[in-house]
Amino acid sequence: GAVVSQHPSWVICKSGTSVKIECRSLDFQATTMFWYRQFPKQSLMLMATSNEGSKATYEQGVEKDKFLINHASLTLSTLTVTSAHPEDSSFYICSALRTSGYEQYFGPGTRLTVT
Amino acid sequence: GEDVEQSLFLSVREGDSSVINCTYTDSSSTYLYWYKQEPGAGLQLLTYIFSNMDMKQDQRLTVLLNKKDKHLSLRIADTQTGDSAIYFCAETSGGSYIPTFGRGTSLIVHP
Repeated sequence: GAVVSQHPSWVICKSGTSVKIECRSLDFQATTMFWYRQFPKQSLMLMATSNEGSKATYEQGVEKDKFLINHASLTLSTLTVTSAHPEDSSFYICSALRTSGYEQYFGPGTRLTVT
Repeated sequence: GEDVEQSLFLSVREGDSSVINCTYTDSSSTYLYWYKQEPGAGLQLLTYIFSNMDMKQDQRLTVLLNKKDKHLSLRIADTQTGDSAIYFCAETSGGSYIPTFGRGTSLIVHP
């Protein structure tokens, strides 16, 4: 149990376009989901905390108008990278916190390349 | 702020034991975690330990916690090539569910 999926697993887009990444908890409910960004050979950088039915909480330095987060249900959170630029190219990982627990379960990640 | 430190690389021979070390600075840490990340994949929770425990064993994995020295280690017995990955140490504290991650230790297992 405790499977988190992400879609797509990789995406290439042109500069200036928007890209939506989905994060789903497949077999449990997650009131809270997290979005991370990981650069090559680096650790995970928390971008924002997504709470079901309310606005996301962004970490310092993360532009909320650029990285739109929607957590419309207990099993789905989406991250939309708006007006993407090459510097947005990265590995984006989501995680889900089981409503009844304290462990985070991570998705497999989405590789975004902006050309 | 809180910090989690790990060495960046570890190379071992197949069949030997691997020991990955981690130090942290937050004395109020409640849970400490070890995650495994294979190339191009997300993080897999391997094991975790509550701060009032000294040791936890799960099959080939042994976690040791020295709370006085704020030192955490992960021992992998009989290391296999499939264990090659990046291992992240992480901690949570103060009731937060958001872990602070180390930079990861790249474990290379060679024949």
